[in-house]
Amino acid sequence: ETGVTQSPTHLIKTRGQQVTLRCSSQSGHNTVSWYQQALGQGPQFIFQYYREEENGRGNFPPRFSGLQFPNYSSELNVNALELDDSALYLCASSLGETGNTEAFFGQGTRLTVV
Amino acid sequence: AQSVTQLDSQVPVFEEAPVELRCNYSSSVSVYLFWYVQYPNQGLQLLLKYLSGSTLVKGINGFEAEFKKSETSFHLTKPSAHMSDAAEYFCAVRLSGGSNYKLTFGKGTLLTVNP
Repeated sequence: ETGVTQSPTHLIKTRGQQVTLRCSSQSGHNTVSWYQQALGQGPQFIFQYYREEENGRGNFPPRFSGLQFPNYSSELNVNALELDDSALYLCASSLGETGNTEAFFGQGTRLTVV
Repeated sequence: AQSVTQLDSQVPVFEEAPVELRCNYSSSVSVYLFWYVQYPNQGLQLLLKYLSGSTLVKGINGFEAEFKKSETSFHLTKPSAHMSDAAEYFCAVRLSGGSNYKLTFGKGTLLTVNP
C-alpha cells in the first residue's frame, strides 16, 4: 500500500503571493486533513475533507482554502501569503467510514514566506 | 473544545535510562488519545493510541502509555532509552466516534538521549 505523499517538499514564496500544496492520500482512504505546524509548535488543524466535501475547519481565515478530488487527493491553497504563514504543512489521510481508525501523515511541505 | 498540555518542553535522559513524557488533556466529552513521534524534517509517525478497552496501551519501539481518566492523563513511558529515540513527541486527542478526524495536539516534548 502506498503512503501519504506531499509535494513539493520545500518552497519559498514572497509575501502577497498565492501557493498551492498537494497531497496524495493513502490507498483506500477517503478523508484528508491539513495541519499547519509553526516552528517549535504542535500541528494546528486547518480543515478536513471527506468525500470531496469540507466537513470540519479550524481557526484559520478564509484565505486558506482546499479541494478534494474524486481520487481523494487534495490541495491546500493559501492566498495573500503573510510572513506568519511560514510553517510545515502536513497532510493526513484516514478512512472515514469508521470512527476509530488512525490518521497517517505525509512528510510535509516546508513553506517559507519572505 | 479539547486541549492538550505536555508538561515538559524538553526531557533529557541518558541512554538505557527510563523515559517518561507527560501528557494531560481536557475535554468534556469522550476522546481518543494518541502519541506521535516526529524526527527532524519529517512528518508524524503514530507510536500508539487509546480508543477503548485496556487502559495500558503498547506501541512501537517499546513505548507504552497508560490512560488514567480520573487524572485526565496519558503519559508515555519506555523502560530503557536508545539513542534512536531522540525526537519530538506529540500527544494528541480527538473526539471519539464519528467521522471528524480533527486532532488537537500538545506543543510537543523534545526527548534528548545522552550517551
